[in-house]
Amino acid sequence: GENVEQHPSTLSVQEGDSAVIKCTYSDSASNYFPWYKQELGKGPQLIIDIRSNVGEKKDQRIAVTLNKTAKHFSLHITETQPEDSAVYFCAASEGSHTPLVFGKGTRLSVIA
Amino acid sequence: GAVVSQHPSWVICKSGTSVKIECRSLDFQATTMFWYRQFPKQSLMLMATSNEGSKATYEQGVEKDKFLINHASLTLSTLTVTSAHPEDSSFYICSARTPGPNYGYTFGSGTRLTVV
Repeated sequence: GENVEQHPSTLSVQEGDSAVIKCTYSDSASNYFPWYKQELGKGPQLIIDIRSNVGEKKDQRIAVTLNKTAKHFSLHITETQPEDSAVYFCAASEGSHTPLVFGKGTRLSVIA
Repeated sequence: GAVVSQHPSWVICKSGTSVKIECRSLDFQATTMFWYRQFPKQSLMLMATSNEGSKATYEQGVEKDKFLINHASLTLSTLTVTSAHPEDSSFYICSARTPGPNYGYTFGSGTRLTVV
């Protein structure tokens, strides 16, 4: 089955700096790669996703890149703000009603 | 956007009792829903996949007689924790796959279960 590795497990950045979180996956059949932000005591919230037919996607300060050959994808947050502090999870799915497989998460702290 | 409503948000129950958690898709039909369990500072662990009108598929190590899943309609899936024990205390989260070619996975707000 699919295995998703996520690094780093914790990340501290100064406000205004960029943050990068990286994930690798094992199943070449996976074709959907979302990123979720989870705040304490809440469910995960989708922040951006990418499908295997696209190499990069951007939404304001957030971008995701996908390298299918290397089986890795990354989340980039620019101009970080204190409210970006949370746990971020990457995930992968091959679709067809299969569940998401999650990485172990990255705790991001943005220091004002 | 697609919204999944999960209730209750938190519940405290006594050992030996049962607790039911509901997961509803509010503005779309969800033929497939998923139930996850999350321990503090850990990732989401898939418990089972719930398909409308059929039996749920449980992950290895998850007791199907203890965690009863019912997906009787296209907008509602329920998870019942039977004969709860303190070690069942956790954060339970449901998710639904949205339909269409640009599908995604929307999550509920989670249920904090504490068994005393």
